[in-house]
Amino acid sequence: DVVMSQSPDSLAVSLGERATINCKSSQSVLYSSTSKNYLAWYQQKPGQPPKLLISWASTRESGVPDRFSGSGSGTDFTLTISSLQAEDVAVYFCHQYFYSPFTFGQGTNLEIK
Amino acid sequence: QVRLVQSGPEVKAPGSSVTVSCKASVGTFVKYGISWVRQPPGQGLEWMGGIVPIIGSPNYAQKIQGRVTITADESTSTSYMELSSLRSDDTAVYYCARVLVSNHHLTVIDYWGQGTLVTVSS
Repeated sequence: DVVMSQSPDSLAVSLGERATINCKSSQSVLYSSTSKNYLAWYQQKPGQPPKLLISWASTRESGVPDRFSGSGSGTDFTLTISSLQAEDVAVYFCHQYFYSPFTFGQGTNLEIK
Repeated sequence: QVRLVQSGPEVKAPGSSVTVSCKASVGTFVKYGISWVRQPPGQGLEWMGGIVPIIGSPNYAQKIQGRVTITADESTSTSYMELSSLRSDDTAVYYCARVLVSNHHLTVIDYWGQGTLVTVSS
């Protein structure tokens, strides 16, 4: 199975500051024929299901604030929150959907410093 | 509006089976697939398997294959996930999720159901 490793496991950032979460896959999730990376980012708040933020590594979903951005290709990816807001406190997961079984990172717990 | 409405919480004995249902908005199965993902309390997400209803053949995670069955009833826009030979480590919130389909393959999950807590306890 493809292993998705996120870093850090936990992160505390001051309001208005930048938050960066990294995700590394054990195999490339780039489909060369289309140049698409099969990588998504989700936000999960307590007691709620995950919410899709970013698909195809860098495509922000409709309605997601533009302070959220995704980057990277192949095996190394990053989720950046440019200016942390109180409502961004959550657990964030990366997810590869290229290889079956699809797999998730272990999650990064984002808190306010 | 996207709707994925799951059945209610279950408490099951070890060794028994559980079936969780997921009713989707009408028309969902024409364009989308369904994945099932579980999350043990306080832990991460595990993809169990998925199905493209217009194709019909489900795809399962090997780790759980043989114990899980995923089906989709297009006439009622409902997907079912049955898990058998339950163990205590099957205790989790089980989510159904809508999946974008590309060339008949499952891709990104874009919407999730509300989740169903399944507790396995004697």
